[in-house]
Amino acid sequence: AQSVTQPDIHITVSEGASLELRCNYSYGATPYLFWYVQSPGQGLQLLLKYFSGDTLVQGIKGFEAEFKRSQSSFNLRKPSVHWSDAAEYFCAVGAGKDSSYKLIFGSGTRLLVRP
Amino acid sequence: EPEVTQTPSHQVTQMGQEVILRCVPISNHLYFYWYRQILGQKVEFLVSFYNNEISEKSEIFDDQFSVERPDGSNFTLKIRSTKLEDSAMYFCASGAQDSYGYTFGSGTRLTVV
Repeated sequence: AQSVTQPDIHITVSEGASLELRCNYSYGATPYLFWYVQSPGQGLQLLLKYFSGDTLVQGIKGFEAEFKRSQSSFNLRKPSVHWSDAAEYFCAVGAGKDSSYKLIFGSGTRLLVRP
Repeated sequence: EPEVTQTPSHQVTQMGQEVILRCVPISNHLYFYWYRQILGQKVEFLVSFYNNEISEKSEIFDDQFSVERPDGSNFTLKIRSTKLEDSAMYFCASGAQDSYGYTFGSGTRLTVV
């Protein structure tokens, strides 16, 4: 069965420090992979997505993620964190076909940023 | 930038009552979805909808739930007889043909008392 694991429930980093959020997935075929961010009381905003091609994908707000098939991972990175990045981050895998697919989400990682 | 609009943002209802959550997807999108997030838990898929019929539904989406696209712009989720455990944030999403991604609304927080 498809699943997504985000091993870190909380991560705290200092402003300006680098960030890596981990995501591992289980999916039989080539996955569609996503990272979403959710600020308190807000909806889900797409940060970036991977469908095929270059395994290093760039997203909004300076985020990037790297797809590693051998490790079944899609970790999210940012070289320098800003206080406004404090939020909950969800990794998801798309399961389905063509343009219609459901998203299977991980449990999320809450990012706290120290001033 | 086009948005998916959900109303109301917060709804409180008594157990056993029917509720309808409303969504206005992005106008040229063809694929529609509902997800929910119980407080403190992960976001869960409920149902997908395409070409005026359900494409897929999860185990959560039982006979108490239904979806409808009553006109060209709205997409609704109805819960016939709400239970306390239906309290959650409900997200609508829509996607375009070959878009490889879809857009979520800001959600409706449903509280069943």
